Amino acid sequence: DSGVTQTPKHLITATGQRVTLRCSPRSGDLSVYWYQQSLDQGLQFLIQYYNGEERAKGNILERFSAQQFPDLHSELNLSSLELGDSALYFCASSVDQGKNSPLHFGNGTRLTVT
Amino acid sequence: GQNIDQPTEMTATEGAIVQINCTYQTSGFNGLFWYQQHAGEAPTFLSYNVLDGLEEKGRFSSFLSRSKGYSYLLLKELQMKDSASYLCALNQAGTALIFGKGTTLSVSS
Repeated sequence: DSGVTQTPKHLITATGQRVTLRCSPRSGDLSVYWYQQSLDQGLQFLIQYYNGEERAKGNILERFSAQQFPDLHSELNLSSLELGDSALYFCASSVDQGKNSPLHFGNGTRLTVT
Repeated sequence: GQNIDQPTEMTATEGAIVQINCTYQTSGFNGLFWYQQHAGEAPTFLSYNVLDGLEEKGRFSSFLSRSKGYSYLLLKELQMKDSASYLCALNQAGTALIFGKGTTLSVSS
């Protein structure tokens, strides 16, 4: 158990809808990262927050947004969903900004868009 | 970009040794990481290298050569439970850990 908690585990929704994925980092970790994993693309970095502030941005679509709250949990909002958004969404955390500290991943949320 | 390349698939037998290579093209990075991921599960941290050379951790070792743009993960005394994907990842300034597409290792008896 990595100590990173993600909810829900599974989500099935229709195209055009909006969903929110939630992540609680390991106790003491200040950085939260979001990754998307689909079969053909591998793990794609979306966005990182450190102590409530956006720190780095990857291949995140404009339809997607995220934030980190004062209690350090994070939410990833996905809107105007398309079939291609179906994927495993992982949250990870690290103690600092991640320069040389490993990321610890949650068990992911499997999103299916129908 | 980082352009991280790994073989897509490898096979090996129980008890054997396997080396999974990772090559990359990047101007600079903080560290190179290796993760293991079983199908449908979370990636788990295995090893990382900051300096050139070999880092040993039990049955797993990782090697880095910055000048050659090359790393490998060495798995010894293979077990069936080692069947998984192995992900090479780079940590560059200004971005988070960027992963290669991974190498799927199948261990047979």
